[in-house]
Amino acid sequence: DVKVTQSSRYLVKRTGEKVFLECVQDMDHENMFWYRQDPGLGLRLIYFSYDVKMKEKGDIPEGYSVSREKKERFSLILESASTNQTSMYLCASSSTGYNEKLFFGSGTQLSVL
Amino acid sequence: QQPVQSPQAVILREGEDAVINCSSSKALYSVHWYRQKHGEAPVFLMILLKGGEQKGHEKISASFNEKKQQSSLYLTASQLSYSGTYFCGTRPLGQGFSFIFGKGTRLLVKP
Repeated sequence: DVKVTQSSRYLVKRTGEKVFLECVQDMDHENMFWYRQDPGLGLRLIYFSYDVKMKEKGDIPEGYSVSREKKERFSLILESASTNQTSMYLCASSSTGYNEKLFFGSGTQLSVL
Repeated sequence: QQPVQSPQAVILREGEDAVINCSSSKALYSVHWYRQKHGEAPVFLMILLKGGEQKGHEKISASFNEKKQQSSLYLTASQLSYSGTYFCGTRPLGQGFSFIFGKGTRLLVKP
């Protein structure tokens, strides 16, 4: 079965810190995604990547950047964390083609104090 | 640009039926449905591709009207295990592999 692993389940950071959220998938999927989940707002797409070193902005990219140096790893970077970035962050991956269903990691609950 | 889901929440008794709707303002390549239980990651239920198809998974089925950019999820004879938040996810045409979710519909099935 596909496994999407996020490096931390809970993370507490200070305002202004640089934060790295890591995601690794083990099924050679082309596509990887970063979402943030907030109560009442659903899952909002931050960035996605369809190949190594390729990235596209989602609906809410401001304050975030991403890196995909290897196919299996997709990192989300908060250059200078702010309190409004406190949220649950979910990583997902999918293959390309007919069976394009997304597989999610278990999420990282980030608190910025 | 998020698809609009309705209703926002629904409470059922075991054995009752429910319909969750999803509507997009953009032409779609596909619609997915996912269920998320509290404290867990969303789990894939089914995918519908443009072509107006309808699919089923046990007592959960869905339809996709590509002309209206609408999809509906049908839960029949609901079970306690159906409780959770249901999300529709859409892949708009012409936006590559961008995948956008709605705000979700909270479903609670009571005994």
